[in-house]
Amino acid sequence: EPEVTQTPSHQVTQMGQEVILRCVPISNHLYFYWYRQILGQKVEFLVSFYNNEISEKSEIFDDQFSVERPDGSNFTLKIRSTKLEDSAMYFCASRKMKDEQYFGPGTRLTVT
Amino acid sequence: KQEVTQIPAALSVPEGENLVLNCSFTDSAIYNLQWFRQDPGKGLTSLLLIQSSQREQTSGRLNASLDKSSGRSTLYIAASQPGDSATYLCAVKHGGATNKLIFGTGTLLAVQP
Repeated sequence: EPEVTQTPSHQVTQMGQEVILRCVPISNHLYFYWYRQILGQKVEFLVSFYNNEISEKSEIFDDQFSVERPDGSNFTLKIRSTKLEDSAMYFCASRKMKDEQYFGPGTRLTVT
Repeated sequence: KQEVTQIPAALSVPEGENLVLNCSFTDSAIYNLQWFRQDPGKGLTSLLLIQSSQREQTSGRLNASLDKSSGRSTLYIAASQPGDSATYLCAVKHGGATNKLIFGTGTLLAVQP
């Protein structure tokens, strides 16, 4: 069964460094998402992406964040200058026209 | 602003029991509601999706109901097994232009053998 994949599973970085989290959505899906979950807290929406542009973003998704679909398969989240409070589990999700969102296994980002 | 809460926060039951997890939301103008399972340190596995026009959905031992007007959904798990132990999350999607899911706080379920 097709699934969303994410790499790396765990990323450790120093404060101020740039990180890129990578996702491969399910191949025939059209809508792509990033969510995050700070330890012990709710899953929070960051951004949605459709037709090669951002369709919606939350207040968390400030100028430090960007998303890109550089080719036909990958979907990336870049954090330009990481802060301690960016430490979280980051989930990629995708869906096609049917409304169910499918989530990847997540990337645990630790900022030291 | 939509708020989604889940009660109880944690639940421990002996194997074989039937159980109900609750999800409530403050704004009834939802488009659909999705139930997920999350294992420790892992991603989210979609269990059931209920459209706003539906009253319930079933998948195996799972049955989810939706009462949109009262802002409630329940997830019923029949004949629980130790392998059902996980955190269960509900999430709502609004109608209109928004795409995002708004998640609840989760219920941590432990099924004792």
